Amino acid sequence: GAVVSQHPSRVICKSGTSVKIECRSLDFQATTMFWYRQFPKKSLMLMATSNEGSKATYEQGVEKDKFLINHASLTLSTLTVTSAHPEDSSFYICSATQDSGTNEKLFFGSGTQLSVL
Amino acid sequence: QKEVEQDPGPLSVPEGAIVSLNCTYSNSAFQYFMWYRQYSRKGPELLMYTYSSGNKEDGRFTAQVDKSSKYISLFIRDSQPSDSATYLCAMSGLGGSEKLVFGKGMKLTVNP
Repeated sequence: GAVVSQHPSRVICKSGTSVKIECRSLDFQATTMFWYRQFPKKSLMLMATSNEGSKATYEQGVEKDKFLINHASLTLSTLTVTSAHPEDSSFYICSATQDSGTNEKLFFGSGTQLSVL
Repeated sequence: QKEVEQDPGPLSVPEGAIVSLNCTYSNSAFQYFMWYRQYSRKGPELLMYTYSSGNKEDGRFTAQVDKSSKYISLFIRDSQPSDSATYLCAMSGLGGSEKLVFGKGMKLTVNP
């Protein structure tokens, strides 16, 4: 299957700092990328949908000013957690679609474990 | 009631056992049903993708969808230690590319 690369895999930061997570589609162009967060023993929760060249669409309850998403090219989307706090500690996963017409062509990155001290 | 319910387990079985994983859902608009496998601290990978009711088989894996009961299953035959992972069900509406709604995931351990 297609490859989606996500970096870093793990980050530890101090409270109040900002953290940037990158998501790259390595062998295909992704017009749409998605960002999720996953708490232990909880479902993956969609945070936002990111379309190349336009503003991201955030799910209800997700603060757009706290979770900044940029999708500047067809192969790269970034999620910046601004002024991170301990409650933002979670596993963040991106996905990218090779074909916006079907979820069958949706591929996930390997995730980023964020720990805010 | 959550849209998708999945027993989080954990489930532990001996090697060679048949494993049955299940999800129920409440939204009758769901038409596409998926099973993902997620290894620890990794992203999910798609195992099975089905549309509407029926069965689909791929090697040792069989996916079943019963829309009348709003119930889906994943069966793993001759389970192997390498099958040890968390299995998530996911579903979406008629568009096929609509937002996925995930279950919590069931952690499976297959013991040699």
